[in-house]
Amino acid sequence: AQSVTQLDSHVSVSEGTPVLLRCNYSSSYSPSLFWYVQHPNKGLQLLLKYTSAATLVKGINGFEAEFKKSETSFHLTKPSAHMSDAAEYFCVVSDLVGNYQLIWGAGTKLIIKP
Amino acid sequence: SQTIHQWPATLVQPVGSPLSLECTVEGTSNPNLYWYRQAAGRGLQLLFYSVGIGQISSEVPQNLSASRPQDRQFILSSKKLLLSDSGFYLCAWSVGKNTEAFFGQGTRLTVV
Repeated sequence: AQSVTQLDSHVSVSEGTPVLLRCNYSSSYSPSLFWYVQHPNKGLQLLLKYTSAATLVKGINGFEAEFKKSETSFHLTKPSAHMSDAAEYFCVVSDLVGNYQLIWGAGTKLIIKP
Repeated sequence: SQTIHQWPATLVQPVGSPLSLECTVEGTSNPNLYWYRQAAGRGLQLLFYSVGIGQISSEVPQNLSASRPQDRQFILSSKKLLLSDSGFYLCAWSVGKNTEAFFGQGTRLTVV
């Protein structure tokens, strides 16, 4: 069965410093992977997606993620954090075995210190 | 371009009252449609998904039901709300398999 593990429930960084949000997945197939962001009391916005093309994926707002099959990881990074990046981030894998479902990580809350 | 509308944004309902949340999608045909619930401080729980009119799959046994009366309309209902039904409800759509989903702005439901 496919699964997603976000290794940190909270990450706190200072404004202007790099961001690293970690995600590991388990899949028997070549998965599609996504990162979503959710600001408080808002819907979810797609940040970026990996669909078996380039392993380094660039998304919106300066975020990027690298698909590493050997490590089964899809970590999200940003070189310099902004206050507006404070939100919850979800790593997601598509379920190629089930029916049209996305498998969600538990989320990582990103806190930006001034 | 495609858009998704979900309403209302907030709702306060007494225990035992009925519920109807509506979601519509514009700009695409035959989308997959989803209802998720997000409890406070927790991840997303898939409640229902639909791949076509009248086709509803339930992921979690509960006090809720869903219907898809039209291709781009998805409704979440309950006959009698429980306190445990409180949460943030999100509608989403996608096209095909193995693709990303796009979300509405959510409905904050508080059952009192």
